[in-house]
Amino acid sequence: GDSVTQMEGPVTLSEEAFLTINCTYTATGYPSLFWYVQYPGEGLQLLLKATKADDKGSNKGFEATYRKETTSFHLEKGSVQVSDSAVYFCALIKAAGNKLTFGGGTRVLVKP
Amino acid sequence: ETGVTQSPTHLIKTRGQQVTLRCSSQSGHNTVSWYQQALGQGPQFIFQYYREEENGRGNFPPRFSGLQFPNYSSELNVNALELDDSALYLCASSFKGASGSRETQYFGPGTRLLVL
Repeated sequence: GDSVTQMEGPVTLSEEAFLTINCTYTATGYPSLFWYVQYPGEGLQLLLKATKADDKGSNKGFEATYRKETTSFHLEKGSVQVSDSAVYFCALIKAAGNKLTFGGGTRVLVKP
Repeated sequence: ETGVTQSPTHLIKTRGQQVTLRCSSQSGHNTVSWYQQALGQGPQFIFQYYREEENGRGNFPPRFSGLQFPNYSSELNVNALELDDSALYLCASSFKGASGSRETQYFGPGTRLLVL
């Protein structure tokens, strides 16, 4: 079946450091890929998405590129802030699919 | 534009009881999906409702049931609550068009259920 694998956290960084969170997926066909962010005590917020190979999703300084050849969708940000401390989830949805399949989440802690 | 709302925000029940959680979809959306997120884990798909009918179900027992209303809002009902049902229940709304494919889902704040 479909699956999403993320690097385990927690990831602890200093403010202004570079952030990378690895995400790889297993799915047939050409799924759409997403990154969601969950702040403490809240629901999920859509951070960015990509719907086809080589698409780059970007938002709030975060970027991720859909790599079909490596089945990956790694999240990056060049300079993190304390406010970026959250749990980040990588997810996919298949064509004509109705459900999101999520990775286990990666907790990021940014220290001042 | 109104986002996805859920009620209640928190709930405490005892084992064997029944619970109903509610979700109002985002303006312009016609599809509601429900997810269960256990502590420290990623959300798991429970089911989706489209045109007031169940449109796909994850690996959850029949005591998890739902409804969608003509205004696209939705309810999740859980009967015979078990301790393992303690989790954050997330509702997501989306727009399913004629192609019916891979719509982007937007989440509400969730309902945190504790079963004692």
